[in-house]
Amino acid sequence: SAVISQKPSRDICQRGTSLTIQCQVDSQVTMMFWYRQQPGQSLTLIATANQGSEATYESGFVIDKFPISRPNLTFSTLTVSNMSPEDSSIYLCSVSQGLTGNTEAFFGQGTRLTVV
Amino acid sequence: LAKTTQPISMDSYEGQEVNITCSHNNIATNDYITWYQQFPSQGPRFIIQGYKTKVTNEVASLFIPADRKSSTLSLPRVSLSDTAVYYCLVGATGGSYIPTFGRGTSLIVHP
Repeated sequence: SAVISQKPSRDICQRGTSLTIQCQVDSQVTMMFWYRQQPGQSLTLIATANQGSEATYESGFVIDKFPISRPNLTFSTLTVSNMSPEDSSIYLCSVSQGLTGNTEAFFGQGTRLTVV
Repeated sequence: LAKTTQPISMDSYEGQEVNITCSHNNIATNDYITWYQQFPSQGPRFIIQGYKTKVTNEVASLFIPADRKSSTLSLPRVSLSDTAVYYCLVGATGGSYIPTFGRGTSLIVHP
């Protein structure tokens, strides 16, 4: 298993500013993912954070808006840049060991972001 | 990527067995079926995974027919604390596994 600590748990930000969300895992993991979940909706994958290389972004998400860092196998950050009210959402970090025959992923508690 | 279809919502009562069915007609040979549970203000939590036939753990059972085009999550004797959203995911394992979520089923358990 893996325990994920995500910070901050919530924040209220002014439009035009940026917020960096941190994801710390208690063990080394191969794969890290960042999701967005809007109220009452399902999770939408933003990107896969790769250690030692650029993140892989899903359609509709770009690096300039959501820069991601992954300096080692236990830590990653997601920045929400130049925020607008439409960015108000819950952002979730997830990890997986990427083992053959195993589909278990672990999630943080999420960061509830409100942009005003 | 195989798309999944689940009922949007279900209602049940304490002590009943709940079965949530997921359709995944385009499932690939290498794909596994995984179910997650999400409570409000929390991240999803892994419940169970399977490839074929039946899998059971301390929380639930997963039934997968031979053609693997659908699966059924069975929750025995639900309680109020089982009120949550349940997601069915389909995907290959290993280094290419990326949890991809569909709409999920909102289960409400009544007293």
